[in-house]
Amino acid sequence: GENVEQHPSTLSVQEGDSAVIKCTYSDSASNYFPWYKQELGKRPQLIIDIRSNVGEKKDQRIAVTLNKTAKHFSLHITETQPEDSAVYFCAASMDTGGGNKLTFGTGTQLKVEL
Amino acid sequence: DAGVIQSPRHEVTEMGQEVTLRCKPISGHDYLFWYRQTMMRGLELLIYFNNNVPIDDSGMPEDRFSAKMPNASFSTLKIQPSEPRDSAVYFCASSLSSEQYFGPGTRLTVT
Repeated sequence: GENVEQHPSTLSVQEGDSAVIKCTYSDSASNYFPWYKQELGKRPQLIIDIRSNVGEKKDQRIAVTLNKTAKHFSLHITETQPEDSAVYFCAASMDTGGGNKLTFGTGTQLKVEL
Repeated sequence: DAGVIQSPRHEVTEMGQEVTLRCKPISGHDYLFWYRQTMMRGLELLIYFNNNVPIDDSGMPEDRFSAKMPNASFSTLKIQPSEPRDSAVYFCASSLSSEQYFGPGTRLTVT
């Protein structure tokens, strides 16, 4: 089955700096890679996703890049703000359009310091 | 839309007792997922349904766990008998397309 590794496990940045979280996956059949943000005591929420037919996707201060050959993808957050502090999870699956069996990474605790 | 609804939000029970967690997916979503989250194992998919039919239950840890979806608006996850190692946050999620919408979770503590 799929195995997703995520690094780092914790990340501390100064407000305004950039943050980068990296994930690798094992199953070359995976083609859908979402990122979820989970604030303390809250539910995971999708913040951005990418499919294997593109190499990069941006949404305001958030971007995700994908290297299919190397089987890794990354989340980039620019101009970090205190409200970006949360745990971020990457995931991988085959995109069936609905019943995506997501395999999650172990999470990255991001702390944005004032 | 109220989003995915789960009940109870917190459950404390003693070892050996039966526990039933409930989920109401977003109306119109045809996929429903049950996840378990722990510090040690992270977010794990337990089982998922499509149009009320279980599709993949390979993540269900053992026979003590069972899940049902009697109709499109209701699902249960049952643990019988419960054990302290079952303590975790259990999330239900639903989807119509690729994006999965998570419920608020049920924090289960088994003493």
